[in-house]
Amino acid sequence: GENVEQHPSTLSVQEGDSAVIKCTYSDSASNYFPWYKQELGKGPQLIIDIRSNVGEKKDQRIAVTLNKTAKHFSLHITETQPEDSAVYFCARGSSGNTPLVFGKGTRLSVIA
Amino acid sequence: SAVISQKPSRDICQRGTSLTIQCQVDSQVTMMFWYRQQPGQSLTLIATANQGSEATYESGFVIDKFPISRPNLTFSTLTVSNMSPEDSSIYLCSVFPTGGEAFFGQGTRLTVV
Repeated sequence: GENVEQHPSTLSVQEGDSAVIKCTYSDSASNYFPWYKQELGKGPQLIIDIRSNVGEKKDQRIAVTLNKTAKHFSLHITETQPEDSAVYFCARGSSGNTPLVFGKGTRLSVIA
Repeated sequence: SAVISQKPSRDICQRGTSLTIQCQVDSQVTMMFWYRQQPGQSLTLIATANQGSEATYESGFVIDKFPISRPNLTFSTLTVSNMSPEDSSIYLCSVFPTGGEAFFGQGTRLTVV
């Protein structure tokens, strides 16, 4: 499948600040956009996802925005905490029962 | 949401041997996906496993090296055969049911010595 570009590759923020990670894609058939958090030694954990029929979704300190016209989606983490430090992956998918295509990941460090 | 139990969680293996990784899902799913995550890298799809038919492999992955079984709608295995140090990675199974969310197992951290 076509790639997903994810930026930045590393991000350091002060505790309490916001963090934003952006992904772009080119496959117009994509309609599912999940975000995963991966801590050291663990598998990717789904933290939030969005489908193409909405532009924004929020869950407490985490939000995802989608611009389907421009083909980009972003993860927003507000009031960051040290436990938010991890590698975050975006991905795109089309219908179910098809594999996801992943971005290269962003290593987020929250400095206390 | 689907719950996926993957085992073993980690193993250290001698080169030339094989390791079979198992994934059990708590609900029936049509497709299961196997990924490899090399150190410090993103996830790369190895193959798609459909119950009742042979798995579909991505470019760069072959059945002789990564045989897959899918005996029913809740279970799959991936074998890493004739291992070399280059096979040291995290291996992950995943499901993405229609209309649902995409979940992963906990991963198998393989070290080949």
